[in-house]
Amino acid sequence: DAGVIQSPRHEVTEMGQEVTLRCKPISGHDYLFWYRQTMMRGLELLIYFNNNVPIDDSGMPEDRFSAKMPNASFSTLKIQPSEPRDSAVYFCASSLGFSSYEQYFGPGTRLTVT
Amino acid sequence: DAKTTQPNSMESNEEEPVHLPCNHSTISGTDYIHWYRQLPSQGPEYVIHGLTSNVNNRMASLAIAEDRKSSTLILHRATLRDAAVYYCILRGGGSEKLVFGKGTKLTVNP
Repeated sequence: DAGVIQSPRHEVTEMGQEVTLRCKPISGHDYLFWYRQTMMRGLELLIYFNNNVPIDDSGMPEDRFSAKMPNASFSTLKIQPSEPRDSAVYFCASSLGFSSYEQYFGPGTRLTVT
Repeated sequence: DAKTTQPNSMESNEEEPVHLPCNHSTISGTDYIHWYRQLPSQGPEYVIHGLTSNVNNRMASLAIAEDRKSSTLILHRATLRDAAVYYCILRGGGSEKLVFGKGTKLTVNP
């Protein structure tokens, strides 16, 4: 398996623009997680899905952030409008859930908002 | 979520054992102790986990104190590739959430 795939790997955008980050989890995994990592706040869980259904979005910073999982093999994290403070590395991870103890992380998307 | 306390940084020499400590005095009976590491410019990767007994795998060993209020991740022979930030995380039984702290940055000297 190719592991968790994220795209783009790097994104530079201007303040106010819409940004969409994409994630393809490992085939067969039923949990998908979105994390954000900054120097100031470390690695934070934003939202996670089970069988394509959002379970816990308490980490989503504000209404400008939204996440969807239309099917088992694809998820998006959208920021609209983007702000400079959204600059971070965004990681997607997947796992088999209760039958597994390990989350597999993607390589991350480095987002810069100018 | 129960908290963990780790040293900010540690240094080791190549091919020597490394003991990375973690304190978790408020651990509950159903919390698993998980360790992840993050190599530079990569996403975190799973290292090992345990509940009560010591655990070994191909990457490391996990020694858990009898009262479960602390644990130690043991790398038996550090290599330069082991230089990373190591996170000790408590994961509640039945919970899928991982709450990352600041971790320990391990430097391995040649």
